[in-house]
Amino acid sequence: QVQLQESGPGLVKPSGTLSLTCAVSGGSISSSNLWIWVRQPPGRGLEWIGEIYHSGSTNYNPSLKSRVTISVDKSKNQFSLKLSSVTAADTAVYYCARDRLGYSYGRGYFDSWGQGTLVTVSS
Amino acid sequence: DIQMTQSPSTLSASVGDRVTITCRASQSISSWLAWYQQKPGKAPKLLIYKASSLESGVPSRFSGSGSGTEFTLTISSLQPDDFATYYCQQYKSYPWTFGQGTKVEIK
Repeated sequence: QVQLQESGPGLVKPSGTLSLTCAVSGGSISSSNLWIWVRQPPGRGLEWIGEIYHSGSTNYNPSLKSRVTISVDKSKNQFSLKLSSVTAADTAVYYCARDRLGYSYGRGYFDSWGQGTLVTVSS
Repeated sequence: DIQMTQSPSTLSASVGDRVTITCRASQSISSWLAWYQQKPGKAPKLLIYKASSLESGVPSRFSGSGSGTEFTLTISSLQPDDFATYYCQQYKSYPWTFGQGTKVEIK
């Protein structure tokens, strides 16, 4: 059973860069899955940020695309999120997750999730 | 982007009740819809995918139906563990989008 664990600073200054890592255990990041980032502002709904395949191929939400970079480190079995030029609107719980089907037909839903990490943007 | 709208936003129900949550898409998404359950302070949990396929390990009292633009999640007999917030999500086209959530409260 794959497990995911987010880590990173819980506080980021406005205009700074948010950086999070998701460690994958119980499975290989080089398997045929897509690896996902989703966020949830306090008391609000879920927003898909983007995804990455172990090859490095990515897809991003157009609303965040200019500020987002998702990367993969196969040697450490982890993937990462960077979000630049953050504002208070980026305060949220950030989740990493797995798309079980990878690039297969019918992909796009998430069967395993990390516990989430709260990132607050404040000076 | 495809907009997903859930109703109601909040639902008050009792243990044993049959509960139905509706999710509407702003355009046809065929059957590319998932449902998740989220409890306070926890990550979402996948319940249903492809509109009606039950995820392994999920109790059979949960069921999903619909296609095109209108979908429902039904809990046949509400249990104490089911009080949570439920989200639908479309995966017909990027960016994947979620509904705003339906909170199921104790009546």
